[in-house]
Amino acid sequence: EAEVAQSPRYKITEKSQAVAFWCDPISGHATLYWYRQILGQGPELLVQFQDESVVDDSQLPKDRFSAERLKGVDSTLKIQPAELGDSAMYLCASSQGQGDNSPLHFGNGTRLTVT
Amino acid sequence: GQQLNQSPQSMFIQEGEDVSMNCTSSSIFNTWLWYKQDPGEGPVLLIALYKAGELTSNGRLTAQFGITRKDSFLNISASIPSDVGIYFCAGQYGQLTFGSGTQLTVLP
Repeated sequence: EAEVAQSPRYKITEKSQAVAFWCDPISGHATLYWYRQILGQGPELLVQFQDESVVDDSQLPKDRFSAERLKGVDSTLKIQPAELGDSAMYLCASSQGQGDNSPLHFGNGTRLTVT
Repeated sequence: GQQLNQSPQSMFIQEGEDVSMNCTSSSIFNTWLWYKQDPGEGPVLLIALYKAGELTSNGRLTAQFGITRKDSFLNISASIPSDVGIYFCAGQYGQLTFGSGTQLTVLP
C-alpha cells in the first residue's frame, strides 16, 4: 500500500538553530498537509497545500515557520530559529482531493526535540 | 474554532471484551474519521464516514456517523492485544479537527 514518506524520523536540535523536515506524499495526491502533534494531544493543522499553492496557513507561526511545495509533489517544512516549545511530532498527510470526502493519510512523522 | 470532545480519555479492558468510545461536538461535520496511532508512528485511518446515520464496519471495528452530524462512536468487538494504542476521532468541515484521543490498554 502506498505510503506518505517523511524524513528524518527523529531530530534533535539546539534552540535558535534551523531545522527542516521533508515529506513525499502518496503518488497522485494533490493535497498535502503539515500537522504538529504535542504529546498527549491530537494533531493540529499548520499548513495545507493544493498542488504547489498554499490553501490554508492561518495556524502557521510565520515568524519562524515556513513551508514550500515548489513542484507540487514533495514538501519541506522549516523552523528558524527553533524554540524549546517547538518540541513535538511533525506529521505530513496527503489526500487525493481537498473536499470533505477525501480522507487524509499520514506519514510516520518527524519527532523533534529542541534542547 | 471547532472542537471535539472525545471520551473516555483512557480505558483498561480485558482481552476479549468489547469497547466503545465516542466524540461529540457543538459543530456539524460533513465527514467523521477514526484513526489509530501507535507510539512513534503516524495515525492510521481505520474508518471513514460520509453520511449522517451511516454505520460502517471494518473487521471487528464498527463506527457510526451521528444523525445530528455532531457526534460519532467507534466500537471494537472481542479486543485483542494488538488493539492497544491511541484512537482519535476527527471531524471534517473544510478543515480536519481531531479529538484529544482515547488511550486503550488491553490486559491479557
